[in-house]
This record gives sequence, C-alpha cells and structure tokens, in this order.
Amino acid sequence: GAGVSQSPSNKVTEKGKDVELRCDPISGHTALYWYRQRLGQGLEFLIYFQGNSAPDKSGLPSDRFSAERTGESVSTLTIQRTQQEDSAVYLCASSLEASGGTEAFFGQGTRLTVV
Amino acid sequence: AQSVSQHNHHVILSEAASLELGCNYSYGGTVNLFWYVQYPGQHLQLLLKYFSGDPLVKGIKGFEAEFIKSKFSFNLRKPSVQWSDTAEYFCAVSLLTDKLIFGTGTRLQVFP
Repeated sequence: GAGVSQSPSNKVTEKGKDVELRCDPISGHTALYWYRQRLGQGLEFLIYFQGNSAPDKSGLPSDRFSAERTGESVSTLTIQRTQQEDSAVYLCASSLEASGGTEAFFGQGTRLTVV
Repeated sequence: AQSVSQHNHHVILSEAASLELGCNYSYGGTVNLFWYVQYPGQHLQLLLKYFSGDPLVKGIKGFEAEFIKSKFSFNLRKPSVQWSDTAEYFCAVSLLTDKLIFGTGTRLQVFP
C-alpha cells in the first residue's frame, strides 16, 4: 500500500478483555516497530521486528502484551486481559532497511480505550 | 541503554519568534538522529535527519538541526516560526542497526 495502515482506528473495550491491533506496513519494508503513546506523553517503544531476526521485545511492559509478524508483512499486537492503564494510542511504523538510519513511516495509530 | 531527553515540554511563542528545541542523547557510539513532527490530527512525519557528514542539517519548512557530538546534542532550530508550526516535536535516536528511541516530545504552540 501507499502508507502504513493500522486497524481499527479506534477501539473501546471492557477491562479484562483481549484486544488485537493490526498493522500493514509499506510493501518491501523489512523493519516494523510498535510504540505506545499515552495522553500527553512521548512515544514508548514496545517491540521491533527486523526481517528474519528475533524481534526485540525489550519494550513490552508485561507478559499481557505480545506481537507477531508474518514474514515482512502484517503485524498484530495483542493485549490480553486489558487494564485501564493500557488506554493509549498504539502506533506502528515501518522502514526500508535493518539500519535505524532510514526513515520510519508511521501509521495513523489505533486509539485504545479500556473502560 | 540509550535514551533521549527533550528538556522543553511545552513552548509557547508568538509568530516570527525564533525557536530552539533541545535534544540530548545518552549513547556514545555512532548514532543516527531524527526529528519528527506531529501536527494536530495528523500522524508522525519526518522533519529532518542526520546520518553523517555536515553536522548542520536542513529539513522541511525552514527547520534545521545541529549535531554537536561533544555535547551529545541535536537541537532543532527555526529562525522565525509560523502559526502553522504548532505541533508536537519528537527527537529520536537509533544505533546503526537498531530500533528508534524517541524523546518525550515538546509541544509547541505559536500564537498569531
């Protein structure tokens, strides 16, 4: 596609439910990132996929969070047993190469609200 | 672990004022440096980047940034801001083959 696409754009869920967020990166981009942006705060790194390498999961805040990526295409971020503190905008980005030196293109984000 | 600090959390300026937003990072190796901007209601987009070469880099919309290696800094500047520059600005750093780490952002408000 022309850009990074995320779905859904908005999600309201009840506390304790599981949610799945989807990211379609730009075709041909080998690197894919997930970030979390809480209201009034910066971008918090969650997880980074680079080609066939093991993902860097160092930013995942708890074992309720997990992410998968199929090859160099779609990625899903799953949050199990959601809590109110999980409410945030979840941003996905992709870039062309393994090196962090190439520009990362961002999606519009998924706004998650846990009630 | 690498980290990025943006000291100005909220900056308020009048149009035509000069702007400088601070960014410092905590890694001593070779880094790539970026400034991203998020206009109200829009997604993040790249403003400018530094990989190597001239430490003074020019970006879109009249922005520039200077990499000062000795100070671990990459401050963003614009000589004369416009109302349309109202946005949130994020500094980001990556090692050559690693993830992008962002600062906490600076919210800029420009009043006519």
